[in-house]
Amino acid sequence: QQPVQSPQAVILREGEDAVINCSSSKALYSVHWYRQKHGEAPVFLMILLKGGEQKGHDKISASFNEKKQQSSLYLTASQLSYSGTYFCGTPSHLYGATNKLIFGTGTLLAVQP
Amino acid sequence: DSGVTQTPKHLITATGQRVTLRCSPRSGDLSVYWYQQSLDQGLQFLIQYYNGEERAKGNILERFSAQQFPDLHSELNLSSLELGDSALYFCASSVEEGEPNTGELFFGEGSRLTVL
Repeated sequence: QQPVQSPQAVILREGEDAVINCSSSKALYSVHWYRQKHGEAPVFLMILLKGGEQKGHDKISASFNEKKQQSSLYLTASQLSYSGTYFCGTPSHLYGATNKLIFGTGTLLAVQP
Repeated sequence: DSGVTQTPKHLITATGQRVTLRCSPRSGDLSVYWYQQSLDQGLQFLIQYYNGEERAKGNILERFSAQQFPDLHSELNLSSLELGDSALYFCASSVEEGEPNTGELFFGEGSRLTVL
């Protein structure tokens, strides 16, 4: 099943903060976050692993609640360059050859001057 | 530049036709993934190959097929095209088979298919 993201869209002014949430009906083994600018390819932001390890971005942080099967992405002091659609992604299995990344419904973020 | 190359970048064709999209993964990456993104939609997983073998299937239609060659490039074949097949098709690569657990996917710039 596809993870559900909220909100669907958010408009900010430069310098404001935003939180994007990702919820799954299945157990989460890890959570990826990607940003896609209009007409471009998705770009990796970070991955959160079980046990709290986080790999990724310097200026964007995230949390991963395994029990609640949720993850949140925190964008603080947003910049114009943060605009785009944010996708969370969750692996289909804990491990194994058939593992695949399932992306969430997406959140459109627009940062205005 | 992610290192993943997709061709063609744009393709316009008619209903009923057949097209082939090509993907060259990053040097050293053995896994190739195909995703479909329709207008204003999310990324739908189609299929994954690892070192020439099919590993996982998603919402891929029977009219679609893919393969990964010994040199690790991959092709996605779309046949009997319908209007609804118009979309951006992304290829992504990763180093290992189970990479979605611990590492990132590197996406190509996509192939935009328009079916008229």
